[in-house]
Amino acid sequence: AQSVAQPEDQVNVAEGNPLTVKCTYSVSGNPYLFWYVQYPNRGLQFLLKYITGDNLVKGSYGFEAEFNKSQTSFHLKKPSALVSDSALYFCAPTRDAGNMLTFGGGTRLMVKP
Amino acid sequence: EPEVTQTPSHQVTQMGQEVILRCVPISNHLYFYWYRQILGQKVEFLVSFYNNEISEKSEIFDDQFSVERPDGSNFTLKIRSTKLEDSAMYFCASRRGTSGRGQETQYFGPGTRLLVL
Repeated sequence: AQSVAQPEDQVNVAEGNPLTVKCTYSVSGNPYLFWYVQYPNRGLQFLLKYITGDNLVKGSYGFEAEFNKSQTSFHLKKPSALVSDSALYFCAPTRDAGNMLTFGGGTRLMVKP
Repeated sequence: EPEVTQTPSHQVTQMGQEVILRCVPISNHLYFYWYRQILGQKVEFLVSFYNNEISEKSEIFDDQFSVERPDGSNFTLKIRSTKLEDSAMYFCASRRGTSGRGQETQYFGPGTRLLVL
């Protein structure tokens, strides 16, 4: 079984400040971890993933995420937020490449000018 | 850059009617998925499909649902007799699945918003 938790429904941050969107997961075996972003009236857009290797992974639009095995976390980060980053962010773990993704409830990121 | 496409973008139907949602996965992808998102709720897995058969399905994917790859490009989800609770955004996704970088990533289409009245 696999599960995921995004403890914050919404994160508010000022433009130019760093942002963190939290995610913790539970997956049997070695996890594959994904972040997706959803803009209004759009589909789910792949942002970044952790499969193996370096714990810090970099993705699109300056986002990065850190895999922490001991804390079973995969928090999404960005050093300097943009207003255009405002969207709904989903963390999605899975136990192997072919398996279904399990989505968290999503975290709405609001970046204020 | 290749994208997953879905048609229609919106569909309104009467309860009890059949609907077919269509998806065109990325052309060299081998694995196909359907997910749905009821308004205000999580994205939920429905079914995965590979080599012309279902690989995995969730409890949601009951006998009212079926999937098909009728030709080399389309991947369809059929709901035989729609219920009010089938109202949701339905997302198709595809994954390359062969060896190499990026083969494990599922790419999603823009979704079909289904409203059952």
